Amino acid sequence: AQSVAQPEDQVNVAEGNPLTVKCTYSVSGNPYLFWYVQYPNRGLQFLLKYITGDNLVKGSYGFEAEFNKSQTSFHLKKPSALVSDSALYFCAVRDMSGAGSYQLTFGKGTKLSVIP
Amino acid sequence: GAGVSQSPRYKVAKRGQDVALRCDPISGHVSLFWYQQALGQGPEFLTYFQNEAQLDKSGLPSDRFFAERPEGSVSTLKIQRTQQEDSAVYLCASSLALAGATTDTQYFGPGTRLTVL
Repeated sequence: AQSVAQPEDQVNVAEGNPLTVKCTYSVSGNPYLFWYVQYPNRGLQFLLKYITGDNLVKGSYGFEAEFNKSQTSFHLKKPSALVSDSALYFCAVRDMSGAGSYQLTFGKGTKLSVIP
Repeated sequence: GAGVSQSPRYKVAKRGQDVALRCDPISGHVSLFWYQQALGQGPEFLTYFQNEAQLDKSGLPSDRFFAERPEGSVSTLKIQRTQQEDSAVYLCASSLALAGATTDTQYFGPGTRLTVL
């Protein structure tokens, strides 16, 4: 069975500082990894995904994520945080080797607060 | 429309009532998914449609939950005899192609927040 862990319920960062939101995963086969962002009373917005190839993936709004197979991690990063980045961030995985590979399995989410 | 839309955005039901939640996927998207998001949790998979065919309903919590997509576009999630534990946000997502065969991205709607009193 596939799973995702987001070890931090909340991350606080000062505006202008770099931010990291952590994610680790567990799958039996090859993972496809995703980051989504959720603003209050809104649905999930797609940020970026890793399928194969370059371990550093660039996405929307200046976000990027680094895939590390040996550490089974896919941490979300941004060089300089904005107050408008404050939201709930979800990491998700699809195990492309098994039945039901279309299912996304999500972590519990990390609340990011960017302090002015 | 440009994205996935869902209605109603908010629904309050008395315990025992039946509810119907609607999803309009992105035009032309073959795959449609329903997820349930409990308070403080990540979304959890409920069911998957490929066009009008419901290929996976393994995540539906009980036989009170029923989903359909009769013409391969709009989908309805129905919950019969609602209970308090059904209170959650119900998210619909769609993707362009066959979900099991591609690296498609699922695009989500704003969700319907269901509160069962």
